[in-house]
Amino acid sequence: DAMVIQNPRYQVTQFGKPVTLSCSQTLNHNVMYWYQQKSSQAPKLLFHYYDKDFNNEADTPDNFQSRRPNTSFCFLDIRSPGLGDAAMYLCATSRDRNGYTFGSGTRLTVV
Amino acid sequence: RKEVEQDPGPFNVPEGATVAFNCTYSNSASQSFFWYRQDCRKEPKLLMSVYSSGNEDGRFTAQLNRASQYISLLIRDSKLSDSATYLCVVGREAGTALIFGKGTTLSVSS
Repeated sequence: DAMVIQNPRYQVTQFGKPVTLSCSQTLNHNVMYWYQQKSSQAPKLLFHYYDKDFNNEADTPDNFQSRRPNTSFCFLDIRSPGLGDAAMYLCATSRDRNGYTFGSGTRLTVV
Repeated sequence: RKEVEQDPGPFNVPEGATVAFNCTYSNSASQSFFWYRQDCRKEPKLLMSVYSSGNEDGRFTAQLNRASQYISLLIRDSKLSDSATYLCVVGREAGTALIFGKGTTLSVSS
């Protein structure tokens, strides 16, 4: 009974070709986050939505965008993926500061 | 300075050993602290929250020293199944976001 669902689990995209990763949740949490985790590194917060309010991290490249059309869904758009964008992308949700829940992640390969 | 810093290890210990991990954080106003566990190619999962008074959950004990901005995790009687990466996590002072350390890798062998 996955409550934070990320699709697909594995995504291969071409260098420079836009790609969208999706996250959905059944928890009715008001906050949704996107993290990027490269091999042997910490999960790095890219941005998050607090309700409809978008909060970008200062060091998140412009190449990364996000959309949250409703409470349940959040998308990560990479406009022009580079080889350095290959990573695990983790979606997480919370109800304010509580109940933090991660999805299983999408592993992105750029070829 | 990174928001959360950890010794990446790896720590290689035999079954039954006691092992301790340490972590420091930069923002003295941080309000919430956690240890997460991450298995290879999986998402992080909450191991335990960390309180100023210290807390214990079975073989796991977590401590927080606010004055030193230091968090620790002690694992007693290590099991093979404890092999994983342990992530130190700090909640931002403002807002809801969690900030992760790089993680400390533990390998328990028989």
